[in-house]
Amino acid sequence: AQSVSQHNHHVILSEAASLELGCNYSYGGTVNLFWYVQYPGQHLQLLLKYFSGDPLVKGIKGFEAEFIKSKFSFNLRKPSVQWSDTAEYFCAVNARGYQKVTFGTGTKLQVIP
Amino acid sequence: DAGITQSPRHKVTETGTPVTLRCHQTENHRYMYWYRQDPGHGLRLIHYSYGVKDTDKGEVSDGYSVSRSKTEDFLLTLESATSSQTSVYFCAISESQGGDQPQHFGDGTRLSIL
Repeated sequence: AQSVSQHNHHVILSEAASLELGCNYSYGGTVNLFWYVQYPGQHLQLLLKYFSGDPLVKGIKGFEAEFIKSKFSFNLRKPSVQWSDTAEYFCAVNARGYQKVTFGTGTKLQVIP
Repeated sequence: DAGITQSPRHKVTETGTPVTLRCHQTENHRYMYWYRQDPGHGLRLIHYSYGVKDTDKGEVSDGYSVSRSKTEDFLLTLESATSSQTSVYFCAISESQGGDQPQHFGDGTRLSIL
């Protein structure tokens, strides 16, 4: 069965700091990978996705993620965070060909002005 | 944003009462999902549907049932609500199965069971 681990539960950064949120998955086959963001009081929105091809994926709002197959990782990065990036971030994995998407437990990011 | 409407948005009810949450979509997507979101657990899949009258269980389906009589509506029912079902419930839709296409989420229903 597929599973996802997000080891950072709560991250606090100052504006302009660089961000990296960890995501590791467990599944031996081919996967689709996602990062979703949930702003306070809102629903989840897709930040970026990886299906195949270039392992460095660029998403909205300056976010990117790198798929490293050998490490089963899909870490999210942003060079310079803004106060408006304060949100909860969820990594998700789908074993290709299967119905279900499994979400991580989320990382709450707080950006201090 | 995808056309997904969840109702009600907030509900407070008592233990033992039945509760039905509704998810309505205007996108004509085949796949619909119900998740619950709890602190420290992220999103967990309750049930999903891959077509009219076609549903299957997720990882936390005990105490919940679903129905899908029309493409656009997916109902989640708590037959006899318990305090452990206090949560925020999200509906999601997708054009294709699993992760072949991203899921689009509704605004959520905050349910409190007293």
